[in-house]
Amino acid sequence: GAVVSQHPSWVICKSGTSVKIECRSLDFQATTMFWYRQFPKQSLMLMATSNEGSKATYEQGVEKDKFLINHASLTLSTLTVTSAHPEDSSFYICSAGTIQSYNEQFFGPGTRLTVL
Amino acid sequence: AQTVTQSQPEMSVQEAETVTLSCTYDTSESDYYLFWYKQPPSRQMILVIRQEAYKQQNATENRFSVNFQKAAKSFSLKISDSQLGDAAMYFCAYRVPDGGATNKLIFGTGTLLAVQP
Repeated sequence: GAVVSQHPSWVICKSGTSVKIECRSLDFQATTMFWYRQFPKQSLMLMATSNEGSKATYEQGVEKDKFLINHASLTLSTLTVTSAHPEDSSFYICSAGTIQSYNEQFFGPGTRLTVL
Repeated sequence: AQTVTQSQPEMSVQEAETVTLSCTYDTSESDYYLFWYKQPPSRQMILVIRQEAYKQQNATENRFSVNFQKAAKSFSLKISDSQLGDAAMYFCAYRVPDGGATNKLIFGTGTLLAVQP
């Protein structure tokens, strides 16, 4: 149980285009989902926290208009990187939590984004 | 602000030997959770072990155990009988219990563990 999927697992796009990454909780309802960014050989940096049906809470320094997060249902959150540039190339990881499992997050396998 | 520090960027251990990874944190809270996560080359984050701060007993999961020193704000991970599959990046993480599901994690910088055959 507690499986989180991400789609796509990797994506290559041209500079200036937008890319959408999906995060799904497959066998549970996720009250809260988190989006992280990880550069090579570095730690996970929390970008934003999203709760179903409400606006996401962004961490300091993360551009809200650049990284659009939608948590439309209890099993799906999306991250859209708008007008992507090469510096947005990174590994993006989502995780999900529930009230029942408040002391644990379940992580997706990540999405590698390369912007040319 | 809460911070998590892992002072060992890289560690190496011989297969079947024991290794200890260090983690210290800073917080003014009295009740919180601490975690060790493993990130293998696949980059899938895997929970290794968790510790609740109000519990004095150190958590243990098979070959993995922690040494939790609350007063010193230290939370080290011991891996016994190291196996080749233990080779990965290990992250220490801290979470403040806020009574809800918004359980934000603060990660350390990670320790890359190599296991030598």
